[in-house]
Order: sequence, then structure tokens, then C-alpha cells
Amino acid sequence: AQTVTQSQPEMSVQEAETVTLSCTYDTSESDYYLFWYKQPPSRQMILVIRQEAYKQQNATENRFSVNFQKAAKSFSLKISDSQLGDAAMYFCAYRSALTRNDMRFGAGTRLTVKP
Amino acid sequence: NAGVTQTPKFQVLKTGQSMTLQCAQDMNHEYMSWYRQDPGMGLRLIHYSVGAGITDQGEVPNGYNVSRSTTEDFPLRLLSAAPSQTSVYFCASSGRGGTEAFFGQGTRLTVV
Repeated sequence: AQTVTQSQPEMSVQEAETVTLSCTYDTSESDYYLFWYKQPPSRQMILVIRQEAYKQQNATENRFSVNFQKAAKSFSLKISDSQLGDAAMYFCAYRSALTRNDMRFGAGTRLTVKP
Repeated sequence: NAGVTQTPKFQVLKTGQSMTLQCAQDMNHEYMSWYRQDPGMGLRLIHYSVGAGITDQGEVPNGYNVSRSTTEDFPLRLLSAAPSQTSVYFCASSGRGGTEAFFGQGTRLTVV
């Protein structure tokens, strides 16, 4: 079974600075999708960014970008120009493109943004 | 757009009681899932469904039952609640392939 590991339970960043959240995963498959979700105190799960494994180009969404290293099975999230509203739990998730099952999540990283 | 509607938002149960968490989606998604979220453990998959009439177990299925009689609805049943089932529960739906999962607002369940 696929597993997703987030090794940083907590991270903090100064407002306007850049922070990188780490994620590694274990799979024997070659075709899959990776996601970063944000969970603010409201508890709502919000998609931040999505990456297809067959695409070499790293995904970018405004201030959010990923560093996808397929061979190393690494999928880190970089947040640039951090804002107070970025404070939340961040979850990395894996979804197979082949098997008929659903997403697997990491344990999450709690990000604090200091003014 | 309603998206994924999950009810109730909060629930307190006594040990041994049963209840059903409701989940409905209006996006005609094939995939629906139930997760539980516990501190330090992220979201763990309880049960999932790839279409009406088809369900399968996830990582932590014990103590939970599901059924999928329609594309829209995917209820989660706790037959005999235990304190270990105290958690936040999320229902999610997604389309085929690599589309994102859309989540309900979650249910905070406390079993005393």
C-alpha cells in the first residue's frame, strides 16, 4: 500500500518570507497524482496545488509551487511571500491513477506565520 | 453549488449507541470516501466507493459500515459506538482519475 510521510509536524515562517514543507511517498506505481491540501481552523479542506506524475514540469499556483522529484519520491511545497492567512495545517496526498482506491494522506504539517 | 453536504456537524454519542453520518454530493462524482482525522495521524481512509453498489474497505474500516445505493449518497454507519471512534469525520467525492477530492465540512463526533 502507498504511504505518505510528512516529517515536519510543525513549521513557522516570518510574514513575507518563504517556507518549504516536505513530503515523501512510497509507491511502486509510475502513474499517479500528488496533492497539497490546506486546512485552516475552519476545518475545511482546500486544494492548494496538484501535480501529475507524468509531467516533469513542477506545478505552480500563484505564491505556491512544488518541487517534484519522481525518482526520489519527494513532493515539497514552497510558499513564497508568506501571509498571515497561510497559517493552517497542510496535508500532502497521493492518488493512484491505476488502482481503484482513493487518496492517502500524510500526517500533516502545522504552519505558523509570525507577523 | 452545494458540492459535498455532510451532516451533522457535531454529535455526542454514548458508548454502544448507533448512528449514521450522512453524505451527499451533487457533482455526479463516481468516487466517494469517508476519512477520519485524528491529531498527529492525518486523514485515514475508512471506506470508499467507486460507484453505486460498489464499496471497499480503506485503512481503518473496523466498526463502520457503508452502502452506496445511489451515485449521490454515501452514508457511514456506526453500529455500536466506542470511545476510540471519537474523531473528526470527513466525507469526500471526486471524479475519475486525478481530479481533486472535494470535502464536506466534517463531523466532530465524541463518544462518551
